[in-house]
Amino acid sequence: AQKVTQAQTEISVVEKEDVTLDCVYETRDTTYYLFWYKQPPSGELVFLIRRNSFDEQNEISGRYSWNFQKSTSSFNFTITASQVVDSAVYFCALSGDFGNEKLTFGTGTRLTIIP
Amino acid sequence: GAGVSQSPRYKVAKRGQDVALRCDPISGHVSLFWYQQALGQGPEFLTYFQNEAQLDKSGLPSDRFFAERPEGSVSTLKIQRTQQEDSAVYLCASSLGGGGQETQYFGPGTRLLVL
Repeated sequence: AQKVTQAQTEISVVEKEDVTLDCVYETRDTTYYLFWYKQPPSGELVFLIRRNSFDEQNEISGRYSWNFQKSTSSFNFTITASQVVDSAVYFCALSGDFGNEKLTFGTGTRLTIIP
Repeated sequence: GAGVSQSPRYKVAKRGQDVALRCDPISGHVSLFWYQQALGQGPEFLTYFQNEAQLDKSGLPSDRFFAERPEGSVSTLKIQRTQQEDSAVYLCASSLGGGGQETQYFGPGTRLLVL
């Protein structure tokens, strides 16, 4: 069985501060894929990033960066110099290989950026 | 269209009524998924299609839930004899190919309220 844990239910930071959202996962698959999605107040899930289990390189995209560590089964997401538009619920998710394509989501972290 | 579309966006049903929720995936996408998102929770998997074949329906909560994708494009999720616990947002997602490595793109969801 697959499981994703996002221990932080809610986080509030002042605008321009950095913030890290934690994600810990469990899987028995040797090949798996990790995702982050953003859900703004409008409700639509917006894809942010996908990571393969065999690629542990960290990734940076503008103000966003992701730290994947297989040793601790973690896939954390950092927003640098946060902005009000970053306010949303963020979900970490996990899928397996053929036969296990479904996404298993964490419970989400509600991020509020205070102007 | 450019993205996944769902209709209706909102549905109010009286307990015991049947409802049908429609999903139009991104054109050319082979895989289609349905998820259920309760308030304050992460999405939970319901069922998965590859073309017209329903490959996984392990997440359907009861035999009142039925999904189809007869021509491998549009999909309908039907809920018979709705109950109050069926109130949730129903999300549809599509991906280009099969396999867990494919990114799933989500529609705006249908918010179902059962009175």
